[in-house]
Amino acid sequence: DGGITQSPKYLFRKEGQNVTLSCEQNLNHDAMYWYRQDPGQGLRLIYYSQIVNDFQKGDIAEGYSVSREKKESFPLTVTSAQKNPTAFYLCASSNRAQGYGYTFGSGTRLTVV
Amino acid sequence: SQQGEEDPQALSIQEGENATMNCSYKTSINNLQWYRQNSGRGLVHLILIRSNEREKHSGRLRVTLDTSKKSSSLLITASRAADTASYFCATDVNDYKLSFGAGTTVTVRA
Repeated sequence: DGGITQSPKYLFRKEGQNVTLSCEQNLNHDAMYWYRQDPGQGLRLIYYSQIVNDFQKGDIAEGYSVSREKKESFPLTVTSAQKNPTAFYLCASSNRAQGYGYTFGSGTRLTVV
Repeated sequence: SQQGEEDPQALSIQEGENATMNCSYKTSINNLQWYRQNSGRGLVHLILIRSNEREKHSGRLRVTLDTSKKSSSLLITASRAADTASYFCATDVNDYKLSFGAGTTVTVRA
């Protein structure tokens, strides 16, 4: 079945540590996205990528980094510069042919300990 | 920045009743989309309505769009317990980028 897979489901980070969240899709979608969701709030865009080897900052990119070396993969690194990283992180992908409807992964919950 | 705002923030209804939620946005759009999120899960795409469409149906869902008022509504008819979720509207910022509202939390009571 085609879909988008995020791992791990839960992640714990110590102060000053970098962590990487994985996102893989087998939908052959060109575009991929990372969103952050805080309790009771909407989604805020961190980074997005329209094609391989290219990505753009979203609204809250500070303290985060991404890479897009393969069409299927769009990992997100939460760096120690991100002062309040505890949140629910959602990865999504989309295809022009679908009218830009997004397919989402099931999310990674990151907690600072 | 978030372009869409849903109203109400929360909604509690009895099973079998209809649920209506609204979305207002600020700038012109090409399309507007609605998503559902069950607790602790990712979002699921429900329906997309283009700016030249006024109404769209999908099963028990009915979406309207009024571009003159920059608003959209999502109606869920004959609600079920499984409809308990948060519902988000999203508007296209550009060809690839969507902006999501803060969502409406719907609780369907048995």
